[in-house]
Amino acid sequence: EVQLLESGGGLVQPGGSLRLSCSASGFTFSNYAMTWVRQAPGKGLEWVSTISGGGGSTYYADSVKGRFTISRDNSKNTVFLQMSSLRVEDTAVYHCAKGPLYDYWGQGTLVTVSS
Amino acid sequence: QSALTQPASVSGSPGQSITISCTGTSSDVGGYNYVSWFQQHPGKVPKLIIYDVTKRPSGVSNRFSGSKSGNTASLTISGLQAEDEADYYCSSYTSINPWVFGGGTKLTVL
Repeated sequence: EVQLLESGGGLVQPGGSLRLSCSASGFTFSNYAMTWVRQAPGKGLEWVSTISGGGGSTYYADSVKGRFTISRDNSKNTVFLQMSSLRVEDTAVYHCAKGPLYDYWGQGTLVTVSS
Repeated sequence: QSALTQPASVSGSPGQSITISCTGTSSDVGGYNYVSWFQQHPGKVPKLIIYDVTKRPSGVSNRFSGSKSGNTASLTISGLQAEDEADYYCSSYTSINPWVFGGGTKLTVL
């Protein structure tokens, strides 16, 4: 059974940093791209970042480029999202999703950016 | 990158069919056969219901179908049921970045 479990969310002040983790199980992790998708309260889905299976290719939405860094550790079946220079508008539930179809999603972790 | 355009809301009565549109450009919807649709009930995680424009994952009802014409993709739900009331999102591969989502459509079953 495929499982994705995010962690690392919380309350942070504007300008602060957080590191999200997504632990995966139930599939050959290194064979699949992984993606972070966020959903602000009461809003729609927003693609944030994708990393290839081997980790050699990374992609970012314009809204987070230069501030967020995606990475993965295939030995630990985990994908990370390092978030810095956080803004109020980054407040959202952050989900990791299994690529390329996004056929499995984690429950998400809430990031709140507020002073 | 701009989100794909979806109607904010659609509605239908039980047993009817409804269609949700998803309009993009030749750089996304029109350029690739990689359109997906997701269903999201309140407080729940999005569920993949259509991928590659027309394909249904195992376990998804055949009342859900997808299509595409030019830069517009469509999701049709036939034999509408109360449990279909949810938010629906389209997404597409793009030439600029891997993926873009639509703004979402709230389906109300009357």
